[in-house]
Amino acid sequence: DTEVTQTPKHLVMGMTNKKSLKCEQHMGHRAMYWYKQKAKKPPELMFVYSYEKLSINESVPSRFSPECPNSSLLNLHLHALQPEDSALYLCASSRRAGLAGGNHSYEQYFGPGTRLTVT
Amino acid sequence: GIQVEQSPPDLILQEGANSTLRCNFSDSVNNLQWFHQNPWGQLINLFYIPSGTKQNGRLSATTVATERYSLLYISSSQTTDSGVYFCAVEGATDSWGKLQFGAGTQVVVTP
Repeated sequence: DTEVTQTPKHLVMGMTNKKSLKCEQHMGHRAMYWYKQKAKKPPELMFVYSYEKLSINESVPSRFSPECPNSSLLNLHLHALQPEDSALYLCASSRRAGLAGGNHSYEQYFGPGTRLTVT
Repeated sequence: GIQVEQSPPDLILQEGANSTLRCNFSDSVNNLQWFHQNPWGQLINLFYIPSGTKQNGRLSATTVATERYSLLYISSSQTTDSGVYFCAVEGATDSWGKLQFGAGTQVVVTP
């Protein structure tokens, strides 16, 4: 089963709200990712977690705060967002990434995304 | 970081036609994937193909790593093939797990 699930599917939030996006996989993958995709653009990497440790932060503003509480779950906490943060947020997972996983790259599998609107 | 270029940017096909999508990249790669993004935003894995040739039904892909390009072939296209096709690569000198996407090819298949 190559399924990554994300909740909620849609989210509308005000600029003063705090909300969280959730991502889950049960494939035994040890790398998980957050991507942001604006309309008519390709996905852009935000964060990579490898073995539950943050390994890549692509200079994302601090109003986005990732969390990996265990190997199956990935959260993205949102606070004081701006309207330009409205986008599709995609989660992905792969077998592993980074030196802890050895010198090999693995296929990434994506969830269906959360469509976020900031008002 | 690695640069990824996809062509053509847009493609309109009549049902039953064949087509070829191209992905050029600027450096050696550890990972190359082709995705189809449907109208609801879901990225569907088509191929994991850092080198060689693979086939899956009406789709096939070839990556010539030494010449830094990959091709995705769609044969006997169907309306359900419509959507955006992305090539994504992880450069050999980039951080592991860092997929860089091309701008995509928007495909419309008409009945």
